[in-house]
Amino acid sequence: QVQLVQSGAEVKKPGSSVKVSCKTSGGTFSSYAFSWVRQAPGQGLEWMGGIIPMFRKPQYAQKFQGSVTITADESTSTVYMELSSLRSEDTAVYYCATGALRYFDWLLYWGQGTLVTVSS
Amino acid sequence: EIVLTQSPDFQSVTPKESVTITCRASQSIGGSLHWYQQKPGQSPKLLIKYAAQSLSGVPSRFSGSGSGTDFTLTINSLEPEDAATYYCLQSDSLPLTFGGGTKVEIK
Repeated sequence: QVQLVQSGAEVKKPGSSVKVSCKTSGGTFSSYAFSWVRQAPGQGLEWMGGIIPMFRKPQYAQKFQGSVTITADESTSTVYMELSSLRSEDTAVYYCATGALRYFDWLLYWGQGTLVTVSS
Repeated sequence: EIVLTQSPDFQSVTPKESVTITCRASQSIGGSLHWYQQKPGQSPKLLIKYAAQSLSGVPSRFSGSGSGTDFTLTINSLEPEDAATYYCLQSDSLPLTFGGGTKVEIK
C-alpha cells in the first residue's frame, strides 16, 4: 500500500512560481511512475507529466513543456512539481498519483490534492 | 495526443436503475483504458483498469468492457453513493489523457 501526502495549499501572485511536494511511503519509490494531474475549478482532470525516479528523466505533456519541472528525491521518497510563470488559469487542485511500476499506466494511489490559487 | 470523448456529459437516474457511460478514443488504444470515480472534494478513485479488470474493494455493480476505440462503464442497480463524476483515462501512449467526465446525479 502506497501513501502519498502532498504539501499544503498555496496562494501565489501572477508571474511567480510554486513548488508542490508529494511525500510517499510504502512500496519501492524508485520503481513507481509518478504523475501530476491538475483539476481547475469545476473542470476535468489533466495530466501534466510525470517521472520514474529510477530512470530520472521526466516526461511532460506538450502543453506544460517549459513551464513545469518534475523532480524526484530518492533520499526522502518525495516527488516535486514546480510550475513557473503562474497565471490565473493555473488556479487548480494539483494531484500526485501513481500505480504502475516502471511505466506510466493506471493511477491507483492518489495524494489528497494541493490547491494552488493564483491571484493578484 | 489521443483524445478521449465521453458521453453523455450528464445523466440523472433513479436508484436501482442502470447507467452506461461510453468513452471513445481518437485512435486504437487496445485495452489500455481505465475508469475513475470522483466525488466532490475527493481525489479520483480507480474503479476498473485495462477496460474490464475489476479492483479489490470496488462493488461488483461496476463493470467495464470494450477494446480498440470504444469502451463502456456500466453501473448496475445504482446506489445513492454512486453520485459522482466518472472519467476514463488512456495509458496507451504519452501524454496520458482523460475523458471530459460524465456527471451522474441520483434523482
